[in-house]
Amino acid sequence: AQSVTQLGSHVSVSEGALVLLRCNYSSSVPPYLFWYVQYPNQGLQLLLKYTSAATLVKGINGFEAEFKKSETSFHLTKPSAHMSDAAEYFCAVSPEYGNKLVFGAGTILRVKS
Amino acid sequence: GAGVSQSPRYKVAKRGQDVALRCDPISGHVSLFWYQQALGQGPEFLTYFQNEAQLDKSGLPSDRFFAERPEGSVSTLKIQRTQQEDSAVYLCASSPVLIVAYNEQFFGPGTRLTVL
Repeated sequence: AQSVTQLGSHVSVSEGALVLLRCNYSSSVPPYLFWYVQYPNQGLQLLLKYTSAATLVKGINGFEAEFKKSETSFHLTKPSAHMSDAAEYFCAVSPEYGNKLVFGAGTILRVKS
Repeated sequence: GAGVSQSPRYKVAKRGQDVALRCDPISGHVSLFWYQQALGQGPEFLTYFQNEAQLDKSGLPSDRFFAERPEGSVSTLKIQRTQQEDSAVYLCASSPVLIVAYNEQFFGPGTRLTVL
């Protein structure tokens, strides 16, 4: 069965600093990978997704993620944090012909001024 | 345009009561999912519909949980004889495609269920 591990339930960065949120997956075949963001009282919103077209994926709001098969990782980065980035971030995996997402436990990002 | 809506947004139930949670997907979306998100956890898959057909209910935790989508649009998740462990946020998501796999799922804001 596929699973996702997000290292660090809480991450705190200063405004303007690099954001790095870690995600590792377990899968016997390269899956589809997603990062979703959840703001308070709002639904999950897709940030970006990996579908095997390119290993470096750019998403909305300046975020990007790199798929590394050798490390089974899909870490999310942003060069410069903004206060509006404070939210909870979820990494998720979908099997090749599947129709459900398997989520990690989430990482709450705090941005300090 | 309107996104996925869910009602009620908050529900408090006494242990043993039945509850019904409603999901209105984006118009025209054929695929619909229910997820359960316990406090401090990521969402966990409950069930999946393709139009009115429930194709996967492997995530439903017990036979107290029942979901339906009779006309292929609105869906209802029903929980009978609620227990404290049912307390969670219930998320609904929809997609315009049949094979969702690498496609985006559009999520509603969720219903927070508290069982006392």
